[in-house]
Amino acid sequence: AQSVTQLDSQVPVFEEAPVELRCNYSSSVSVYLFWYVQYPNQGLQLLLKYLSGSTLVKGINGFEAEFNKSQTSFHLRKPSVHISDTAEYFCAVRRAGTYKYIFGTGTRLKVLA
Amino acid sequence: ETGVTQTPRHLVMGMTNKKSLKCEQHLGHNAMYWYKQSAKKPLELMFVYSLEERVENNSVPSRFSPECPNSSHLFLHLHTLQPEDSALYLCASSAQLAGDTGELFFGEGSRLTVL
Repeated sequence: AQSVTQLDSQVPVFEEAPVELRCNYSSSVSVYLFWYVQYPNQGLQLLLKYLSGSTLVKGINGFEAEFNKSQTSFHLRKPSVHISDTAEYFCAVRRAGTYKYIFGTGTRLKVLA
Repeated sequence: ETGVTQTPRHLVMGMTNKKSLKCEQHLGHNAMYWYKQSAKKPLELMFVYSLEERVENNSVPSRFSPECPNSSHLFLHLHTLQPEDSALYLCASSAQLAGDTGELFFGEGSRLTVL
């Protein structure tokens, strides 16, 4: 069965510092990988996705993620965060050929002034 | 309007009430989903519809009853809920089911409180 692990439930970081949010998944077949962001009282919004090809994926708001098949990871990074990046971030996987998206428990990013 | 719209945004109901959540998508998608988001838990997939046909019912209690009259609208009918059903209910849509490489588009959610 597929699963997604986001080990860090909360990540505090100072403004303009870099950040990495970790995501590991388990699946023995091809998957598509996604990062979503959720601001307070809102739904989830896509940040970026990995389908195939280049393992480094760039998304909106300056975020990027790297797919590492051997480590089954898809960590999200940003070189310099802003206060407005404070939100909850969800990693998700979907097995190719299915409609089931499996979400992690989320990582709350808090950017400090 | 664009995207995925959910109404109401907030709902408070007693355990004996009957209410409904509504979702409408303006993206031309043909698959729609209901997710439940509770604190400190992963998003739970409840129902999936493709072309108005239910393709997934994830062991959801019968007090939740979905309805998909057409590919643009999705309802979640609520009846005799329990306090533990209090959560954010998210609707989402996607272009296709299996074979599509696209992502889910979410509404802003309906915050349900059961007293």
